[in-house]
Amino acid sequence: GNSVTQMEGPVTLSEEAFLTINCTYTATGYPSLFWYVQYPGEGLQLLLKATKADDKGSNKGFEATYRKETTSFHLEKGSVQVSDSAVYFCALTLGSYIPTFGRGTSLIVHP
Amino acid sequence: EAGVTQFPSHSVIEKGQTVTLRCDPISGHDNLYWYRRVMGKEIKFLLHFVKESKQDESGMPNNRFLAERTGGTYSTLKVQPAELEDSGVYFCASSQGGDSPLHFGNGTRLTVT
Repeated sequence: GNSVTQMEGPVTLSEEAFLTINCTYTATGYPSLFWYVQYPGEGLQLLLKATKADDKGSNKGFEATYRKETTSFHLEKGSVQVSDSAVYFCALTLGSYIPTFGRGTSLIVHP
Repeated sequence: EAGVTQFPSHSVIEKGQTVTLRCDPISGHDNLYWYRRVMGKEIKFLLHFVKESKQDESGMPNNRFLAERTGGTYSTLKVQPAELEDSGVYFCASSQGGDSPLHFGNGTRLTVT
């Protein structure tokens, strides 16, 4: 079946540090890929997406590139802020538009 | 526009009791989804409604879980009787369908003791 694997958290960084959160997927076909973010006390919200190979999704300074050859969709940000502290979920859809999620990676950014 | 709302935000019940979770989707969203996240693990799909019809309930863990969406508006998810392994955060989401994004509620944290 389809699945998403994310790096274990928490990821702890200082403000203005570079962020990478790894995500790889397994799918029988060519999925669409997503990053969702859950801020404390809130529900998940879509951060960015990419629907085909080599597409780059971007939003709020975050970027992720759909790499078919490595089945990856790593999330990056050049300079994180305290307000980026949240749980980040990688997800895919294939055919049915119902997302399959990873287990989430907690990001903690210190001033 | 009001977002997806879930009630209650927290529920603590004893094993064997019954709990009903409620989700009010965004007005006009025909698609409604229930997901569950057990501590530190994946967000697992439970089921999908299109209006009042169950489109896909392949993720429902067993017959102790019953979801309804009468009238195609709000939805309820009942757990009866609750077991310890049912503890987790239950998320509801709604969408306009197709590849439009899902809008999630804040979740209901269920603790079964």
